[in-house]
Amino acid sequence: KAGVTQTPRYLIKTRGQQVTLSCSPISGHRSVSWYQQTPGQGLQFLFEYFSETQRNKGNFPGRFSGRQFSNSRSEMNVSTLELGDSALYLCASSPGQAGTEAFFGQGTRLTVV
Amino acid sequence: GEDVEQSLFLSVREGDSSVINCTYTDSSSTYLYWYKQEPGAGLQLLTYIFSNMDMKQDQRLTVLLNKKDKHLSLRIADTQTGDSAIYFCAEIRNRGSTLGRLYFGRGTQLTVWP
Repeated sequence: KAGVTQTPRYLIKTRGQQVTLSCSPISGHRSVSWYQQTPGQGLQFLFEYFSETQRNKGNFPGRFSGRQFSNSRSEMNVSTLELGDSALYLCASSPGQAGTEAFFGQGTRLTVV
Repeated sequence: GEDVEQSLFLSVREGDSSVINCTYTDSSSTYLYWYKQEPGAGLQLLTYIFSNMDMKQDQRLTVLLNKKDKHLSLRIADTQTGDSAIYFCAEIRNRGSTLGRLYFGRGTQLTVWP
């Protein structure tokens, strides 16, 4: 059974650009969540999608957005990149029922220069 | 407070037991998780426990839960150098019909000396 797949693994972008990250959850899982990991702030929740609908949202500006497709794959978009957006972005896959396992991908390392 | 708290560092000798501690905040029924992160990698789910349980054991890992004190611990028996990593404690909040939001501690850096 394949795990959670995030692409790309590494990304370098310039300030002001936009970026799209992709996450393919474990087969059969319908919930995808996104987290940002930085040395200063630790792991912070961005949003959760289930059945193509955003179900929970963290405290990030509107530049951070996401969507989920009918096959449960999810994308996260960050527009007008800032230096502070440099981080490891992690995606979590879950069956979707409350309180079950959440499996993470390897992450996408985004560097904004 | 609102934070999940963990001590930042722990050093042990190979073969000894490691105990990583965490305090959480949600007093209602909740799920609590332990994750492991190696350098340059994502989060590996080690185990999780529902708050109506006191203990869960899985091979070398033992999770103990003290609900009164909102204290969670992860014990690793016979610690090996390959266990060196950062360990995160997390709790679920904002539960509904989906997974909800995980709140993480800052992580405990476990160093195992040969």
